[in-house]
Amino acid sequence: AQSVTQLGSHVSVSEGALVLLRCNYSSSVPPYLFWYVQYPNQGLQLLLKYTSAATLVKGINGFEAEFKKSETSFHLTKPSAHMSDAAEYFCAVSAINDMRFGAGTRLTVKP
Amino acid sequence: DTGVSQNPRHKITKRGQNVTFRCDPISEHNRLYWYRQTLGQGPEFLTYFQNEAQLEKSRLLSDRFSAERPKGSFSTLEIQRTEQGDSAMYLCASSLATSGSNEQFFGPGTRLTVL
Repeated sequence: AQSVTQLGSHVSVSEGALVLLRCNYSSSVPPYLFWYVQYPNQGLQLLLKYTSAATLVKGINGFEAEFKKSETSFHLTKPSAHMSDAAEYFCAVSAINDMRFGAGTRLTVKP
Repeated sequence: DTGVSQNPRHKITKRGQNVTFRCDPISEHNRLYWYRQTLGQGPEFLTYFQNEAQLEKSRLLSDRFSAERPKGSFSTLEIQRTEQGDSAMYLCASSLATSGSNEQFFGPGTRLTVL
């Protein structure tokens, strides 16, 4: 069965600092992996996706993620945090008929 | 706007009442999914349709829950005899069956509060 685990339910960074949100996956087949962002009382917006074309994936709003098969990881990074990045972030793996999500990481950005 | 839409955005009901939510997917998408999200958790899969056929239901979908997609376009999710434990955000998503990655596009959700 495919699943993802997000390490750290809450991450706090200062504005301008590096953002690192961790995600590890479990999959018996080459996975399709996603990062979504959710703002309060809104749906999920796709940040980026890994579909095996390239291990370093660039997404919207300056985010990127690197697929590391040896570490079964797909961590999300952004070089410089902005106040508007404060939100909930979800890592997900595409299963056969649905998508499996991690529990989420709440990112707080301090001025 | 050509994204996924959901109505209503918020619903407050009393325990024991029935509620129905609607989802309009992206027009060319033939797959439609329902998820439930409780506070502090990621979305959990409930059910999905390909065209009008409901192809899979999660164990989370008790017999009080029913979903339909009668013409392969919009879908409804009905909860009968609501319980306080049904309070959650209900998310709808759509995708193309031919999308190898199963990338899903989400609507804004319907937040249900059962008093």
